[in-house]
Amino acid sequence: EADIYQTPRYLVIGTGKKITLECSQTMGHDKMYWYQQDPGMELHLIHYSYGVNSTEKGDLSSESTVSRIRTEHFPLTLESARPSHTSQYLCASSVEGGTEAFFGQGTRLTVV
Amino acid sequence: RKEVEQDPGPFNVPEGATVAFNCTYSNSASQSFFWYRQDCRKEPKLLMSVYSSGNEDGRFTAQLNRASQYISLLIRDSKLSDSATYLCVVSLNRDDKIIFGKGTRLHILP
Repeated sequence: EADIYQTPRYLVIGTGKKITLECSQTMGHDKMYWYQQDPGMELHLIHYSYGVNSTEKGDLSSESTVSRIRTEHFPLTLESARPSHTSQYLCASSVEGGTEAFFGQGTRLTVV
Repeated sequence: RKEVEQDPGPFNVPEGATVAFNCTYSNSASQSFFWYRQDCRKEPKLLMSVYSSGNEDGRFTAQLNRASQYISLLIRDSKLSDSATYLCVVSLNRDDKIIFGKGTRLHILP
């Protein structure tokens, strides 16, 4: 089993609230990724990181922000949640770009 | 042109049949190739890497055609448990991000 964890697994929150989705991995991987996926739809890369203090925006524009202060931790923050942010958010990590990516179990976010 | 393209399906295939998926990639300099499997409401997991010489893992065979820039996945003697979405994944090089295709949905029918 991969050692990458996301919390919370499920979150229902009101519009306008600030939320942080946590992602941690204990494998020492430099590369970390955040994907957004609606049910039955494709994965969209929204953020990635090559290592500490490195963050890049992905292919899908997102109002969320990320930080990478420690290798093992890659949290995603939404300053003001909206119903359009309702989705599943998946975190992943890999040793390098050309190696297997391990995924967390995801956070299902519902903004009401 | 998208970086990685797959036929979204769904492929509805009777149990025991052989099914093949193709995936094309746009960047000829891509170095690493994978097939992932994603079950409904679960996270993606690595099914197999794809090597230049082709590789086989049980009922699954993966092939790479660099000249035509596509990779393929062949599933023989399909089982009901093979029903899932199969994601084609490409990476330019060791320092680059991984790129997922949209996925191909497979339904194995009893």
